[in-house]
Amino acid sequence: KAGVTQTPRYLIKTRGQQVTLSCSPISGHRSVSWYQQTPGQGLQFLFEYFSETQRNKGNFPGRFSGRQFSNSRSEMNVSTLELGDSALYLCASSAASSGNTIYFGEGSWLTVV
Amino acid sequence: GENVEQHPSTLSVQEGDSAVIKCTYSDSASNYFPWYKQELGKRPQLIIDIRSNVGEKKDQRIAVTLNKTAKHFSLHITETQPEDSAVYFCAASQNTGNQFYFGTGTSLTVIP
Repeated sequence: KAGVTQTPRYLIKTRGQQVTLSCSPISGHRSVSWYQQTPGQGLQFLFEYFSETQRNKGNFPGRFSGRQFSNSRSEMNVSTLELGDSALYLCASSAASSGNTIYFGEGSWLTVV
Repeated sequence: GENVEQHPSTLSVQEGDSAVIKCTYSDSASNYFPWYKQELGKRPQLIIDIRSNVGEKKDQRIAVTLNKTAKHFSLHITETQPEDSAVYFCAASQNTGNQFYFGTGTSLTVIP
């Protein structure tokens, strides 16, 4: 079974631009969540989608948004990029609706200059 | 919301020794506690997990213990090997979806 796939793996953006990251979950998984990983803050929860509905949202500004499609693939968008948005963005999928193991993708490395 | 604290932030052990990483959580509603290992430049990978109805779980050289009363759980690695060198994260979640709260990580170095 293929794992969680994230694209692109690496990208460089300029302050003020926007970025869209994509995530394909493990086949059959309907829950997709996103995390931001930085050296100083560790792994921070962004949001979670299940059956195209956002179920949980972390403490991030409205510039961070996401969506999930009917095939469970998910995208997250960051608008008006700031230098502090430079991070590894990890997508994770889960088979169950709650309280179950999440499996991470390799992540998308975003650098904002 | 939930707050997970993890200690120590760095840990160095000699090959063959044991390593212990400890985490505490604040919300008694948390009931699922996984541990992830992240090697440099790689994705976090689940190594072991425990649910609140179990006090201890073991998988070969790795074990996790949970004390619900004290709200802390620990990862134990015995007979450490150089390939155990990585960053380890503890996490906690509740039955409200798949939102996980992570500790800040422990960088483990196993010295050959």
